[in-house]
Amino acid sequence: DTAVSQTPKYLVTQMGNDKSIKCEQNLGHDTMYWYKQDSKKFLKIMFSYNNKELIINETVPNRFSPKSPDKAHLNLHINSLELGDSAVYFCASRTGGVTGELFFGEGSRLTVL
Amino acid sequence: GQSLEQPSEVTAVEGAIVQMNCTYQTSGFYGLSWYQQHDGGAPTFLSYNALDGLEETGRFSSFLSRSDSYGYLLLQELQMKDSASYFCAARRSNYQLIWGAGTKLIIKP
Repeated sequence: DTAVSQTPKYLVTQMGNDKSIKCEQNLGHDTMYWYKQDSKKFLKIMFSYNNKELIINETVPNRFSPKSPDKAHLNLHINSLELGDSAVYFCASRTGGVTGELFFGEGSRLTVL
Repeated sequence: GQSLEQPSEVTAVEGAIVQMNCTYQTSGFYGLSWYQQHDGGAPTFLSYNALDGLEETGRFSSFLSRSDSYGYLLLQELQMKDSASYFCAARRSNYQLIWGAGTKLIIKP
C-alpha cells in the first residue's frame, strides 16, 4: 500500500489554464504539506495543514489554493497557470514523533507551456 | 535569517567513504534531519540528530555539533545506488523544517 499518493504524476498544460493535484495519505498522520521543487532542486514549503486546518501559508501567489476535506487528504488547485509554475510538486505527511520525519509522495511534475 | 549551507556537489569513488557537510543558522533549533533524493524520485528520510554526537544506521552515519552549528552525513562502502542528492534540514520548535539546497553525490566506479 502506498503511504502518500499523489495524482496525477505528470501534468502538461497551457498558460492560463487551471489545474488540480490530489494527495492522500494512509499513515494516520495529522499534518500534511505541499512542497514545490524547482529545476535547481530547492525544496520550498508552500502550505501545511494540521487536522484540516491551515497552519503554514508561505509567500505563495493566491492563485494557489490548498484544500483539506479531511486529515487524510490535501489537494492543491492552481489558477491561471504561469510558466514559472513549472516544477515538481510534492505532497508530504509528518509523523508526530520526535524526528518529525516527513513521508513524501512521488511528486507531480507540472509543465506549463 | 534562517539558512543552511551545503556544498552543491561531491564526487567519490565506489567503495570509498564520503562526508557531506551542513552548516546552519536557525533560531529555535531543535535538530538536524537528512533526506536522500534520487533523480526523478521523492525525498526519503535518512536520519535525525537532536543531540551532539554520531548516530549510525548501517552504512550511514550522521553527526551534529550544536556549538558549531554544524552537521554532516557520512556514507561508507559507497555503492553506485548511493548516487543521489542529499538534503539537510533544520527542525525548529514548531516542527518547521528549514531546508538546505542539497548536495549532489556523484559516485565513480
